[in-house]
Amino acid sequence: DAGITQSPRHKVTETGTPVTLRCHQTENHRYMYWYRQDPGHGLRLIHYSYGVKDTDKGEVSDGYSVSRSKTEDFLLTLESATSSQTSVYFCAIRESERVGGYTFGSGTRLTVV
Amino acid sequence: AQTVTQSQPEMSVQEAETVTLSCTYDTSESNYYLFWYKQPPSRQMILVIRQEAYKQQNATENRFSVNFQKAAKSFSLKISDSQLGDTAMYFCAFMKPNYGGSQGNLIFGKGTKLSVKP
Repeated sequence: DAGITQSPRHKVTETGTPVTLRCHQTENHRYMYWYRQDPGHGLRLIHYSYGVKDTDKGEVSDGYSVSRSKTEDFLLTLESATSSQTSVYFCAIRESERVGGYTFGSGTRLTVV
Repeated sequence: AQTVTQSQPEMSVQEAETVTLSCTYDTSESNYYLFWYKQPPSRQMILVIRQEAYKQQNATENRFSVNFQKAAKSFSLKISDSQLGDTAMYFCAFMKPNYGGSQGNLIFGKGTKLSVKP
């Protein structure tokens, strides 16, 4: 299995503060993704990356930015956190471009107070 | 745009019984992938089973099998001999294949919460 780690695992922050979540993979998979999970909504795509410095928006990208300066790291930044961004955030990688399917990190529970 | 619908927010089943979770999707694509993911209380997302649309044979993984009806755009998951460890949230997901482009994103349904009772 591909190694994928997210940090932090839990975070509480105040409204209006910037927050950065990190996703790290130990292999050289090209595609990386950030999703958020909310009750009643399933998982929704925030941003994804298809290579170093190549990123694109997903379904719910407003209020979020991403960066990928190295293959192994994909950062998600909330420039000014709001209570509506309280959620569980998952990073994922696509291990095989041909076969499909993702491997997910363990998730970050973010609470904005 | 593709959509995935899971019409059963919650289900329960007795241990050792069989349960079927429903999933329908909407797409104009002819080739794609479908998945079922399991999320136990630990929060980890675990791939249960995968189906490629061009394969007519239904996928099977041990106690888990699917009923893939391409014309009806239906992709149900059957769990046989349910175990307490099957208690989890189950997500159906769709993916259009991508070969070098910027697509291939997973689109999820809202999930079905399955409880296995002793």
